[in-house]
Amino acid sequence: EVQLLESGGGLVQPGGSLRLSCAASEFTFKNYAMSWVRQAPGKGLEWVSGIINSGGTTYYADSVKGRLTISRDNSKNTLYLLMNSLRAEDTAVYYCAKLIGGDCPDAFDIWGQGTMVTVSS
Amino acid sequence: DIQMTQSPSSLSASAGDRVTITCRASQGISNFLAWYQQKPGKVPKLLIYAASTLQSGVPSRFSGSGSGTDFTLTISRLQPEDVATYYCQNYNSALSMTFGQGTRLEIK
Repeated sequence: EVQLLESGGGLVQPGGSLRLSCAASEFTFKNYAMSWVRQAPGKGLEWVSGIINSGGTTYYADSVKGRLTISRDNSKNTLYLLMNSLRAEDTAVYYCAKLIGGDCPDAFDIWGQGTMVTVSS
Repeated sequence: DIQMTQSPSSLSASAGDRVTITCRASQGISNFLAWYQQKPGKVPKLLIYAASTLQSGVPSRFSGSGSGTDFTLTISRLQPEDVATYYCQNYNSALSMTFGQGTRLEIK
């Protein structure tokens, strides 16, 4: 079964850092673009960042540009999100999502279960 | 950034009803529009992409239409398991894959 499994979430103080991981299985990871999408408690979905299949091009929402860095290791079938200078408004469930194609943009056909990030002192 | 506005924000309908949710883009996005279903406590699920293409495994009672700035998601005969929040998403630009604010659907 095609699967995405996030890890790395937790409680962090404002200004702190965190690295999220997303392990992919049962599909050819290197062929597909990937993204991170977040959902604050009780709120809607917010696209955060995207990366093409090769990892050569990345994209960010204005709200996270300069603070979050998306990357991937195709040899390990894993997507990452390095989060720096975290703020209270970054508190959310972070989902990794597979795009239908190898390039951005595209729709998201597979979603992980999500990992919770809480930014609080 | 392109803004996506859904209406209504919430609705209640009876089982068997025909339900329509609309999504309007602040500028033209051709057919680069997807619809997702998120059941309470669950992960979002892709229903429709390219405005009208049904994702594999999605029941045929779901359909999508539209192009440019105005789009609709229609459920032809509402089922109890369709209780969820529905989101549209624009993917016209890699720098702005924005979602609508969501439409919460309940059963009367």
